[in-house]
Amino acid sequence: GESVGLHLPTLSVQEGDNSIINCAYSNSASDYFIWYKQESGKGPQFIIDIRSNMDKRQGQRVTVLLNKTVKHLSLQIAATQPGDSAVYFCAENNQGGKLIFGQGTELSVKP
Amino acid sequence: DAGVIQSPRHEVTEMGQEVTLRCKPISGHNSLFWYRQTMMRGLELLIYFNNNVPIDDSGMPEDRFSAKMPNASFSTLKIQPSEPRDSAVYFCASSLAGIAKNIQYFGAGTRLSVL
Repeated sequence: GESVGLHLPTLSVQEGDNSIINCAYSNSASDYFIWYKQESGKGPQFIIDIRSNMDKRQGQRVTVLLNKTVKHLSLQIAATQPGDSAVYFCAENNQGGKLIFGQGTELSVKP
Repeated sequence: DAGVIQSPRHEVTEMGQEVTLRCKPISGHNSLFWYRQTMMRGLELLIYFNNNVPIDDSGMPEDRFSAKMPNASFSTLKIQPSEPRDSAVYFCASSLAGIAKNIQYFGAGTRLSVL
């Protein structure tokens, strides 16, 4: 039969615009969250993290927002550049020493 | 720091052959994770070690898969016998567990093709 792969959500933005990538997590007991960036042919790379006792954290050009009420996480990238094109994964720490990864969102930046 | 080092980067083998993937974690890290990534299933945790001891191997697909960590600086993931459905990218990651944060640092992966 025909194989079906994961259909990654895709976000396409113009260079210089801001990007917002969203993620819904599953476990209300998760206390720590991480965003990873994976470029083609490479392993996932740490971008930014946030603990559950915070609702916002800023890095260089990136901001992570956490809404525990609706179990939602977002990654905002300011002034998106072509080098930001990649698949972005959110991951939650469920207190068991493991990270549970989301399916990923593919960001495409148009010059 | 050299980061997590995996070898080989690419492996092509025939069905039924034994495959061994290798990983050197970041020096000083005490947790090591093996993941498999495919288009069908995304990024899956296979097994992880803490202080060289396997903690959770519930993600290992079947008995054909085995993993060892003989010391703090080396781990192997073995598939015997390999099958075409094992074709995937296998990642190793390490972290410094025991502190509040659990940032895992990934290697570049091994792309396995089983013909």
